[in-house]
Amino acid sequence: DQQVKQNSPSLSVQEGRISILNCDYTNSMFDYFLWYKKYPAEGPTFLISISSIKDKNEDGRFTVFLNKSAKHLSLHIVPSQPGDSAVYFCAASEASNYKLTFGKGTLLTVNP
Amino acid sequence: DAGITQSPRHKVTETGTPVTLRCHQTENHRYMYWYRQDPGHGLRLIHYSYGVKDTDKGEVSDGYSVSRSKTEDFLLTLESATSSQTSVYFCAIRKSDRGNDGYTFGSGTRLTVV
Repeated sequence: DQQVKQNSPSLSVQEGRISILNCDYTNSMFDYFLWYKKYPAEGPTFLISISSIKDKNEDGRFTVFLNKSAKHLSLHIVPSQPGDSAVYFCAASEASNYKLTFGKGTLLTVNP
Repeated sequence: DAGITQSPRHKVTETGTPVTLRCHQTENHRYMYWYRQDPGHGLRLIHYSYGVKDTDKGEVSDGYSVSRSKTEDFLLTLESATSSQTSVYFCAIRKSDRGNDGYTFGSGTRLTVV
């Protein structure tokens, strides 16, 4: 049973445009939602997070939106840059155990 | 990332042989995790530890064991490697008690079982 779902395996956007990566979850007990970025041959790196009591968190070009009623979150990257090309993982955890559950990832390609 | 190292970085082993992967941290964090990454599956938790000699299973623990005899080292052992265990293995540490701070990952170990 997949609790965190990223239904788009890949996404391609033009440099300067907005990238929107989506994530759905099924576990209503999740308290924290995180996005990680992963380049080939490297470990995932933390990008941005949001707690369930908020609906938006912004950090520079990156904004995460949370819609709890729809059990949906999204990561917006504006403007997109070629260096943003990577695999993006959505992850979630409950406050009671801090075990991160990951989605399958979305490969973002930003074309110059 | 500074503070967490995995060894070896690459390993090729034969089916049926035991293999141990090492994760070492320099900052005395309590929580450590082992994940595997496979195409079409994302990152899946194998085992985790919440202190010396305190470990628990993740979602894909069959065929794996772990040990943590010192705070800084978390070992993952494949008792008898199988081809299905060919994967990239990532160790992670939790540096903060705040749930929205996430984990810090190592650079990974690419294991090939032939």
